Formats: sequence, C-alpha cells, structure tokens
Amino acid sequence: EVQLLESGGGLVQPGGSLRLSCAASGFTFSTYAMNWVRQTPGKGLEWVSAISGGGIYTDYADSVKGRFTISRDNSKNTLYLQMNSLRAEDTAVYYCAKDLDAAGPDWGFDPWGQGTLVTVSS
Amino acid sequence: SYELTQPLSVSVALGQTARIPCGGNNIESKNVHWYQQKPGQAPVLVIYRDTNRPSGIPERFSGSNSGNTAILTISRAQAGDEADYYCHVWDSSTAVFGGGTKLTVL
Repeated sequence: EVQLLESGGGLVQPGGSLRLSCAASGFTFSTYAMNWVRQTPGKGLEWVSAISGGGIYTDYADSVKGRFTISRDNSKNTLYLQMNSLRAEDTAVYYCAKDLDAAGPDWGFDPWGQGTLVTVSS
Repeated sequence: SYELTQPLSVSVALGQTARIPCGGNNIESKNVHWYQQKPGQAPVLVIYRDTNRPSGIPERFSGSNSGNTAILTISRAQAGDEADYYCHVWDSSTAVFGGGTKLTVL
C-alpha cells in the first residue's frame, strides 16, 4: 500500500524557517515526481512545488519562489520542503502528493498524505 | 496566469445526477484532473486526464472536457458523495487548482 506521511509542521514566527518532511513507502520512490500542495484553513488548494524523480528538475509557485526549496533523498524515500522567510499567509496545511504515473507529469496527484499544519504567527 | 473557475456550490437530489463544471480558457487543450475532499481528510483523485477513473473509484464518477468547460459527473448521487470537489490542470510547469465546489446531496 502506498503511504505518505508528512511531519515537521508547527508554530513559527514571521521571518522564521521550518523544514517539512514526507516519508514515502509502498512504491519505488525514485521513479515518481512528487509535489507539495497547501490548503489554507477553510479555503482551497494551492500547489506549492514539484520535483522530478531524480531530483534534477524543480518547479515553484510564484508565491514561494526564492523562499521555499524542495528536495528529496531517494536513499531515505523522503521528500522535503525547506521554508524560509515565512509569512502569515503561508499558514496552511501542507500535503505531499505523488504523481499518479511515473511516465511523466500531468497524470494527477495520487495519493496525498494526511497533511501537516504550519502556523506562522507571532 | 491560467485560471480555473468553479461554482461555490452544487446541490443534487439523492439518486440523481450531479454535474460540477470547471471553466478555463480553451481548457479542452489541457488534461483535467478532479479530486474529492471530505471534511478533515486529504483530497482523493477521482478522475485523471479528463475521463479516466483511478482504481477503486466507482463507475458513477465520470468526466468530460470540451471547449472552455470540463465537467465532473456523479451519477446516482449518494449521501457519501457530499464533499468539496476540485479541478486541476498544469499550465506552463505550474499546477493550477480551481477554487472548489461544495456538493450537497439533498
């Protein structure tokens, strides 16, 4: 069974940093692109970042470009999101999500982890 | 930047057919994916690439994509289908989500 388990969320002050992790199991991690998607409490979904299976290619939403860094350690089956210069508007539940198909992008995200809450507040 | 438009809410009578639209400029040129999200849970992929159902998703869920509108259709709606539904496309290496539609089963 494919499983994704996020961790690392919590309360951080504006301007602070946080690193999220997503531990993957049940599939060949290195062959799938991975994504981070966030959801503000009570609001919709916002894609944050994606990384290719080998970790070579990355993409970011404009709202986080230059502040967030996505990475992965395929030897540990773990995805990361380093978040710096955090702002109040970054407060959200952060989900990691696997690409449905290893053939390439644009096959949808499946499955998603259970999410980890990040709260940016003084 | 590309935008996807969804109605805030759609209602359907129990056992009837619900249709949830997702509007975007020439969306038919893109692959549209749909997610179901129930309260307190993570989203679940219910349709990918316009018309395809992942394993485990009931045949009652179907999708279409034409012109400027993609549609998620839920046949024989059940109480358990009450949820938020989001459409999703990729545009210029950026994933874009619609604002979400709350489906109410009456």
